[in-house]
Amino acid sequence: DAGVTQSPTHLIKTRGQHVTLRCSPISGHKSVSWYQQVLGQGPQFIFQYYEKEERGRGNFPDRFSARQFPNYSSELNVNALLLGDSALYLCASSTTGQSVETQYFGPGTRLLVL
Amino acid sequence: GQQVMQIPQYQHVQEGEDFTTYCNSSTTLSNIQWYKQRPGGHPVFLIQLVKSGEVKKQKRLTFQFGEAKKNSSLHITATQTTDVGTYFCAGRPQTSGGYNKLIFGAGTRLAVHP
Repeated sequence: DAGVTQSPTHLIKTRGQHVTLRCSPISGHKSVSWYQQVLGQGPQFIFQYYEKEERGRGNFPDRFSARQFPNYSSELNVNALLLGDSALYLCASSTTGQSVETQYFGPGTRLLVL
Repeated sequence: GQQVMQIPQYQHVQEGEDFTTYCNSSTTLSNIQWYKQRPGGHPVFLIQLVKSGEVKKQKRLTFQFGEAKKNSSLHITATQTTDVGTYFCAGRPQTSGGYNKLIFGAGTRLAVHP
């Protein structure tokens, strides 16, 4: 079975630009969460979506937004990029997003903002 | 805010020595997960602990969840070079509203010298 997939794998942008990252969950999983992992730190929770609705949001500015599609794939959008947005962006999927479920992470998208 | 502290930040061991990393949460957790991330990779799920005082073993790895559900540890017996990587604990606060928000520690980077 295919795991969580993310695209692109790497991305280079300049300050002020906009970026869209994509995630496809494991087949049968209906919940997707997004995390940001800055070099040398643990992942930080950004959003969780279930059945196309936002179920949770971390402490990130409004420049960060996301959505989930009917096929349960998801997009993370970041506007007005800052140098500090350079990070590994991880997507994780789970069956329904309930707190007892295991999340499975994708390989991530490495974003570099110059 | 809710935090998960993890120590040590780095650990260098000789192959065959034991290794332990500790996590402590500022709030009570509903459960805690452990992940391993190899350099350049993404977090890979190892185990989830749910019950107070729970102990689980996976071959040379022993995981414990504290009685108060605020701390946890991972112990590796007789380390091997394949154990190299960063080990993260990730706690799910009881007050997370039931959704799948994980709060990650900063990780412990393990180096094993042959």
